[in-house]
Amino acid sequence: DQQVKQNSPSLSVQEGRISILNCDYTNSMFDYFLWYKKYPAEGPTFLISISSIKDKNEDGRFTVFLNKSAKHLSLHIVPSQPGDSAVYFCAASGWGGKLIFGQGTELSVKP
Amino acid sequence: NAGVTQTPKFRILKIGQSMTLQCAQDMNHNYMYWYRQDPGMGLKLIYYSVGAGITDKGEVPNGYNVSRSTTEDFPLRLELAAPSQTSVYFCASNPTDPDGEKLFFGSGTQLSVL
Repeated sequence: DQQVKQNSPSLSVQEGRISILNCDYTNSMFDYFLWYKKYPAEGPTFLISISSIKDKNEDGRFTVFLNKSAKHLSLHIVPSQPGDSAVYFCAASGWGGKLIFGQGTELSVKP
Repeated sequence: NAGVTQTPKFRILKIGQSMTLQCAQDMNHNYMYWYRQDPGMGLKLIYYSVGAGITDKGEVPNGYNVSRSTTEDFPLRLELAAPSQTSVYFCASNPTDPDGEKLFFGSGTQLSVL
């Protein structure tokens, strides 16, 4: 039972264009959502988060949008850079505050 | 500032062997976690700890054991290694508050059981 789903295993984008990574969840009790970025041979690192009381949070080139009615969140990266090439995981804060992760989306930004 | 340190980085085990994956953090975080990452499956929580002397099971605890004798260390023990335990293992920690949900990860241990 996958409570957090990232249905696109991979995404390829041209440098300078927008990258949009999507994430769906099933549990309406989730109250906090995060995005992590992972480079090969490294651990995931925190990127950006959003509380369920908001619908948008912005940090530089990164913006996360939350649509609670659709149980959907997305990460926008504008403009995309080759250094953004990585695997992106979305996560939701579930029972006891423990995070439940999606499967990840591998982003490739082409120069 | 070392953060979360995991050792070893790589290990090959034979079926039935045992080993301990080490994890240490120097940020005085109360919460520590062990995740495994399988291809296309995201990260699954194995065990977690909310403080020294307190541990609890996550989603996929079978075949593993943990202990938390100090705030800094959270080792993961595999008693009888099986091929299904081939995975990348990540240790993580976070403070209680205010950024309680933001995990700090180690660089991982790649384990193969053959």
